Amino acid sequence: AQSVSQHNHHVILSEAASLELGCNYSYGGTVNLFWYVQYPGQHLQLLLKYFSGDPLVKGIKGFEAEFIKSKFSFNLRKPSVQWSDTAEYFCAVNAGNTPLVFGKGTRLSVIA
Amino acid sequence: DAGVIQSPRHEVTEMGQEVTLRCKPISGHDYLFWYRQTMMRGLELLIYFNNNVPIDDSGMPEDRFSAKMPNASFSTLKIQPSEPRDSAVYFCASTPGQGNYNEQFFGPGTRLTVL
Repeated sequence: AQSVSQHNHHVILSEAASLELGCNYSYGGTVNLFWYVQYPGQHLQLLLKYFSGDPLVKGIKGFEAEFIKSKFSFNLRKPSVQWSDTAEYFCAVNAGNTPLVFGKGTRLSVIA
Repeated sequence: DAGVIQSPRHEVTEMGQEVTLRCKPISGHDYLFWYRQTMMRGLELLIYFNNNVPIDDSGMPEDRFSAKMPNASFSTLKIQPSEPRDSAVYFCASTPGQGNYNEQFFGPGTRLTVL
């Protein structure tokens, strides 16, 4: 069965700091990879997704993620965070047309 | 489009009571998913439907939980009887066509508290 690990439960950064949130998955075949974000009091929404092609994927709001197949990783990055990026971030994976498996999430707090 | 609609947004009930959560997916979306979110277990898939038919209910925790989708625009998740450990946020999501290849659109969730 697929599983997703998000290494950090809670990350605290100052504004303008760089962000990298780790995501590792366990599945040996071809996978689809997603990052979702949940802003305080709001529902989950898609940040970016990877199906194939360029392993560096750019999403909304300046976020990007890199798929490294050899490391089974899909880390999320942003060069300079803002206070408005405070949210919970979820990595998710599936294989073909199978349900998504979500990680437990990483809470990001950005302080001024 | 109004997005995925869930009701109620908050539900507080006493142990043993029946709880019914409701979801209206985005019009035209063929897939509907029910998730449960807790601090301990994160976001878990409970069940999903394709064209109103349940495809995978292996995530439903026990017989106290049931879900129906009588038509393309409405689904319910019922807990009977409810227990304190059912306290969680329950999300509904929908997606069109290609199902799990696509972005899932989430509703605002129902925060359930069972006393």
